[in-house]
Amino acid sequence: ETGVTQSPTHLIKTRGQQVTLRCSSQSGHNTVSWYQQALGQGPQFIFQYYREEENGRGNFPPRFSGLQFPNYSSELNVNALELDDSALYLCASSLGDRGIVREQYFGPGTRLTVT
Amino acid sequence: DQQVKQNSPSLSVQEGRISILNCDYTNSMFDYFLWYKKYPAEGPTFLISISSIKDKNEDGRFTVFLNKSAKHLSLHIVPSQPGDSAVYFCAASHNNNDMRFGAGTRLTVKP
Repeated sequence: ETGVTQSPTHLIKTRGQQVTLRCSSQSGHNTVSWYQQALGQGPQFIFQYYREEENGRGNFPPRFSGLQFPNYSSELNVNALELDDSALYLCASSLGDRGIVREQYFGPGTRLTVT
Repeated sequence: DQQVKQNSPSLSVQEGRISILNCDYTNSMFDYFLWYKKYPAEGPTFLISISSIKDKNEDGRFTVFLNKSAKHLSLHIVPSQPGDSAVYFCAASHNNNDMRFGAGTRLTVKP
């Protein structure tokens, strides 16, 4: 059974640029959640996708968008990058029932640095 | 808004003794609570959870206690082992699609 993988591991971007982060969910999981973890803080919920549809969103601006594909892998897109977007981005997959999940399995994260 | 708080950034415990990690929350709508453990360069790993209809859940050396009236939960690790050294996150959710995490507590278990 393959765990949750994320790519790339590290990324450096310039303010104003756009970035796409990718996540492959654990086999059999239909739900993917994305989190932003700033230094010294806990993960903050960005949004969740269940069966290719957005199923909840945290307090993040519209320039944070996502996709979930038929194989349940997912992308996080961030437009017009700001310095404060520098953080560890975590993807978590789970097996949900109508989007209701219990335990989530996290990937190792993508470290984004915006200069 | 900080709906889940872990007020102790760090905790140091001797091997074999009990580790108690605490977490407070403010949203009375939360109905499911979890603890995650995180090693450096890895994502958080699920450890143990508890539903709001229970006040205790035990899994081996790990026990989670929930006090709904105080909006407080705690994780007990007995006996503590050096391999337990990690950052522990408390998380809470309502309807599960918006999970709120605390800032974490770094546990160090000394041999």
